[in-house]
Amino acid sequence: EDQVTQSPEALRLQEGESSSLNCSYTVSGLRGLFWYRQDPGKGPEFLFTLYSAGEEKEKERLKATLTKKESFLHITAPKPEDSATYLCAVRVEYALNFGKGTSLLVTP
Amino acid sequence: DGGITQSPKYLFRKEGQNVTLSCEQNLNHDAMYWYRQDPGQGLRLIYYSQIVNDFQKGDIAEGYSVSREKKESFPLTVTSAQKNPTAFYLCASSRDSYYGYTFGSGTRLTVV
Repeated sequence: EDQVTQSPEALRLQEGESSSLNCSYTVSGLRGLFWYRQDPGKGPEFLFTLYSAGEEKEKERLKATLTKKESFLHITAPKPEDSATYLCAVRVEYALNFGKGTSLLVTP
Repeated sequence: DGGITQSPKYLFRKEGQNVTLSCEQNLNHDAMYWYRQDPGQGLRLIYYSQIVNDFQKGDIAEGYSVSREKKESFPLTVTSAQKNPTAFYLCASSRDSYYGYTFGSGTRLTVV
């Protein structure tokens, strides 16, 4: 069964303290790995799509990387406005299969 | 601006009632999806539709029904057969099954 596991479940960082979120997956033939950001009470907002091992994408303080078994979302010098839940998903058949997310809190 | 509109934002249902959640998109996307989100559970797929007049069950379709009569619209009905309907419901669309999603802002359904 295709699965997506995110860790840690929750992460608390001081402003400026860089860290990484992990997304490990078990799918037969990856057809896309997606990262989303979700603020409380709102719909997820698209961040990145990765398709092949070795691929990297960046947006402001965020950088997503992909290996054959996992993806990392690196957050460099985070700010309080980066606080949110970060969701990882993989494409299976005709839909996305989501992990449970990592809840990130960045304190001043 | 193009996007997905879900309504209402909050919905209250009495025991035994059916309720319908609206989802409308003006992105000209072919594929649309319904997910349910519970605390600590992540997003779970209820139904999806790749084209007008066609839809498929997802992982947790029991107690739900959908229709896709227009490309822009994909309403979800939560029936009385759904025993635990209290959740946050998210609608999404994509150009086709290869692309990522654009999500709506969600509907929070509560049973009273």
